[in-house]
Amino acid sequence: GAVVSQHPSWVICKSGTSVKIECRSLDFQATTMFWYRQFPKQSLMLMATSNEGSKATYEQGVEKDKFLINHASLTLSTLTVTSAHPEDSSFYICSARGNSVSGETQYFGPGTRLLVL
Amino acid sequence: AQSVTQLDSQVPVFEEAPVELRCNYSSSVSVYLFWYVQYPNQGLQLLLKYLSGSTLVESINGFEAEFNKSQTSFHLRKPSVHISDTAEYFCAVSLKTSYDKVIFGPGTSLSVIP
Repeated sequence: GAVVSQHPSWVICKSGTSVKIECRSLDFQATTMFWYRQFPKQSLMLMATSNEGSKATYEQGVEKDKFLINHASLTLSTLTVTSAHPEDSSFYICSARGNSVSGETQYFGPGTRLLVL
Repeated sequence: AQSVTQLDSQVPVFEEAPVELRCNYSSSVSVYLFWYVQYPNQGLQLLLKYLSGSTLVESINGFEAEFNKSQTSFHLRKPSVHISDTAEYFCAVSLKTSYDKVIFGPGTSLSVIP
């Protein structure tokens, strides 16, 4: 149980385009979803927290207009990187937690590797 | 504020040898403790967690971790490592309240040498 998927797993795009990454909880309802960014050989950096039906809470230093987060349902959250630039290239990982599973535990997706050319 | 320290950034160890990955945390309130493992080019997988009760927790693949409140530590151990244990290991904490963030340590890269 508690499986989280992400799509796509890999994306390469041109500078200036927008990229949408989906995060789905497959067998539980995710009341809260988190988006992380991970640079090579580094730990995860929390970008934002989103609760279903409300606006996301962004961490300090993360541009909300650059990284648009939508958590429209209890099983789906999306992260859109708008006008992507090479410095946005990174590994993006989502996680989800819900009351129907161990509420204190976050379950992570497999990650999406973004390369902006 | 909470923080997590993993003193060893890289730990090389021979196959079938024991290993300990160290984790210390700081927090003024009670926390949950986690160990996550990340294999190359993959997301994180929950390895084990301490919520309450017995201070020694075990995973299904032979890892164990012991919560030591006085030393604010949650070290991860395995008596005999396998090649497949080569991965990045992250210690993490979260507050015992809803909608709380998970604070990750910087990670320890475990390399098992054949």
